[in-house]
This record gives sequence, structure tokens and C-alpha cells, in this order.
Amino acid sequence: ELKVEQNPLFLSMQEGKNYTIYCNYSTTSDRLYWYRQDPGKSLESLFVLLSNGAVKQEGRLMASLDTKARLSTLHITAAVHDLSATYFCAPSVSGGSNYKLTFGKGTLLTVNP
Amino acid sequence: DTGVSQDPRHKITKRGQNVTFRCDPISEHNRLYWYRQTLGQGPEFLTYFQNEAQLEKSRLLSDRFSAERPKGSFSTLEIQRTEQGDSAMYLCASSSLHSGFEQFFGPGTRLTVL
Repeated sequence: ELKVEQNPLFLSMQEGKNYTIYCNYSTTSDRLYWYRQDPGKSLESLFVLLSNGAVKQEGRLMASLDTKARLSTLHITAAVHDLSATYFCAPSVSGGSNYKLTFGKGTLLTVNP
Repeated sequence: DTGVSQDPRHKITKRGQNVTFRCDPISEHNRLYWYRQTLGQGPEFLTYFQNEAQLEKSRLLSDRFSAERPKGSFSTLEIQRTEQGDSAMYLCASSSLHSGFEQFFGPGTRLTVL
């Protein structure tokens, strides 16, 4: 059974600072997703990482994947208040045609002025 | 394309009542997923459809839960004899080969069982 561990679970940052969220998972995964969730809202897809060494960047967020270490990171550069949200990583293991996602507990990010 | 839609957005019910939720996936997405999310946790997989066939169910899905996807389009999730522990956000997602199997989530149905 695939297990996902995110850390930290809570992150309070000052605007302008950098930080990294870590996502470890327990078994081989086909692909890994990062999602953002605002309070009371649904999930917004941020990144899809498909292969070892994959790196994707969008604005102040950059995600990477190391399949050998079973580790993905989400790096935040020069944080701004609008990035305050909960971030989830979700590796996917295909069982036949079922690419179901297994989510971590999420990292609640608060960016303070 | 309007994305994944879910109805109702909120449902308050009394313990023991039955409830049904609906999910309309993105057009032409043949894969449909249901997840459940409780407060402070990540979503947990419940069940998966490819077209109209329900191909996998989680152990989380007790006998009180049933899901259908007639004609491979919209899906319904029914909970019978609701319990307070069923209170959660129920999320639907859809995907397809053309989306690279990336799952797009609906707004969710928040269920409160009193």
C-alpha cells in the first residue's frame, strides 16, 4: 500500500522568503501530482511530474521529482500572500487502467506580510 | 468546457437518512473518481469508473455506499443510513487518455450529518 508523507504539515513564512515542502512516498509511482486547495474549495492542479529528474516551474513555485529516492519537492521562491493555501502531493500508481491518487496530509502554508 | 460539476454543493441531513450526490465529469472524460476528504486530511480514494464500469472500490466504501455511472456519463454516489462519521467533503474527479490521465476535480459536496 502506497503511503505518502509530507513535511512540514504547517508552514508559516514571511513574504519574500524561500522554503521547500517535501513529499516522500513508499513505493514506486508512475507519476506525481501537486495540488493546491484554498479553504472550503476544491483542488487545483499545479504540476504533473512524469519521470525521474522532472522539474517544472510556474511563477514562484517549482516542483521536482526524484523517483529513486521516492521524493518530490515543492520550492517556493520569494513567497507572497496569495500563495497561502494547503498544498498536497499525490503520487499515482496504476492498477490496470486506474490511476488513483494517494494524497499526503497536506502542508498548510501561511504567508505573512 | 465547464469543468467537473457536482450537485448539491452542500447537504445537511439527519443520521439514518439516505443521501445521493451527483457528479458530471468533463465531456469525453471516460475515467471518473470519487474521493472523500475529512477536515485536516488529504482526499482518500473511494471508487473508480472507466466508462460505465466500476473497476475498483476502496475498503473505505462500506456496504452503505453505492456508486453508479449509467451510460458512462454522470455518476451518482448514494449513502444509505448516514452516520455522523460520514460527514466529509465528497470530491469527484475525471480524466482521460487525452488529459494524460491528469485528474480534474469538481467543487465537491460537503455533507454534514447531524
